[in-house]
Amino acid sequence: GQQLNQSPQSMFIQEGEDVSMNCTSSSIFNTWLWYKQEPGEGPVLLIALYKAGELTSNGRLTAQFGITRKDSFLNISASIPSDVGIYFCAGRYYSGSARQLTFGSGTQLTVLP
Amino acid sequence: DAGVIQSPRHEVTEMGQEVTLRCKPISGHNSLFWYRQTMMRGLELLIYFNNNVPIDDSGMPEDRFSAKMPNASFSTLKIQPSEPRDSAVYFCASTATDSGNTIYFGEGSWLTVV
Repeated sequence: GQQLNQSPQSMFIQEGEDVSMNCTSSSIFNTWLWYKQEPGEGPVLLIALYKAGELTSNGRLTAQFGITRKDSFLNISASIPSDVGIYFCAGRYYSGSARQLTFGSGTQLTVLP
Repeated sequence: DAGVIQSPRHEVTEMGQEVTLRCKPISGHNSLFWYRQTMMRGLELLIYFNNNVPIDDSGMPEDRFSAKMPNASFSTLKIQPSEPRDSAVYFCASTATDSGNTIYFGEGSWLTVV
């Protein structure tokens, strides 16, 4: 099956710093999604990427779909305390009915004031 | 717009009892997914439906777990009998196949089996 490696597992940063996290896959994906999960809540979609090379921003967040279709990164600029949470990457390969997401293990982000 | 709605939000039950989790997908979405999240295993897909039909249930742990989708606006995940190792957060998610297949999650049902 497809494997997703997400790194880093956790990050402790100072407020105002930029953050970068990434995911790599053992096989190609057609879609990359980035989610944020806060304590006691479900994952919330941040950014969706559908084409190799695509670079998409959502406020202070920027994500890119790698050219090889096997990786993606998420950057957060000028972090603030409310950025705290777990960030998940997820990839999907369309193969007939195999329209499922494979999730990374998550990056736990802590922002120190 | 209403998102994916799950109930109950929290459930504590005794081992051996039946547990039923409910989900209402986003209106117009034709695919529905049940996930389980634990610290040890992260997010695991249990089963997904397309147009109310179960497509892949290979993630269902064992026969104690069953899921149904009697119509486009309702699904259930049932555990009978429940065991302590079933304690987890169960998420329902939905998507529309003509929307880029972006999946939207509910807020989860937090299950504790004692």
